[in-house]
Amino acid sequence: AQSVTQLDSHVSVSEGTPVLLRCNYSSSYSPSLFWYVQHPNKGLQLLLKYTSAATLVKGINGFEAEFKKSETSFHLTKPSAHMSDAAEYFCVVRMDTGGFKTIFGAGTRLFVKA
Amino acid sequence: GAGVSQSPSNKVTEKGKDVELRCDPISGHTALYWYRQSLGQGLEFLIYFQGNSAPDKSGLPSDRFSAERTGGSVSTLTIQRTQQEDSAVYLCASSLAPGQGNSPLHFGNGTRLTVT
Repeated sequence: AQSVTQLDSHVSVSEGTPVLLRCNYSSSYSPSLFWYVQHPNKGLQLLLKYTSAATLVKGINGFEAEFKKSETSFHLTKPSAHMSDAAEYFCVVRMDTGGFKTIFGAGTRLFVKA
Repeated sequence: GAGVSQSPSNKVTEKGKDVELRCDPISGHTALYWYRQSLGQGLEFLIYFQGNSAPDKSGLPSDRFSAERTGGSVSTLTIQRTQQEDSAVYLCASSLAPGQGNSPLHFGNGTRLTVT
């Protein structure tokens, strides 16, 4: 069975400081991994995806994530937070074999203080 | 190009009534997903369609919920005898067939359902 756990329901950072949003997954098969962002009253937007070509994945708006198979993690980072980064972030896992049900983590709400 | 289209964008209904929510996926996308997002919550998987295969209905919360996908394109999610706990935003997403370049999900703007 596959699952995804976002370790923090809320993260608060000051503008200009680094962001770390943690995600752990479990999957019986080689997974596809994604991060999505949802701004208040807006739709879901793809930030980045893990394609197995490189363990460090760069996405939009300066975000990146590193796939660590040994730790079954796919943490999202950004060197310097902006006020506009305040949103809900979802880590997503999908199996590439067998069933293709796509599972979302519970989400991490990022607050950015001025 | 056109994205995933959902209608209606908002629906208010009385408890006990049936509702139908529509999703028009991106042309050429063979995979279609329905999710539910309650206020302040994450996304709850409901059902998944892939091509002509039998759908994965494992996320449907009760037998009041059903979905169909006609002609491999448009999908309708039906909720019978709606209850107040059904109030949520219902999101539809589509993608290329899994395995095609780790195709991500493309989401519609959702239907906000309010059961009074």
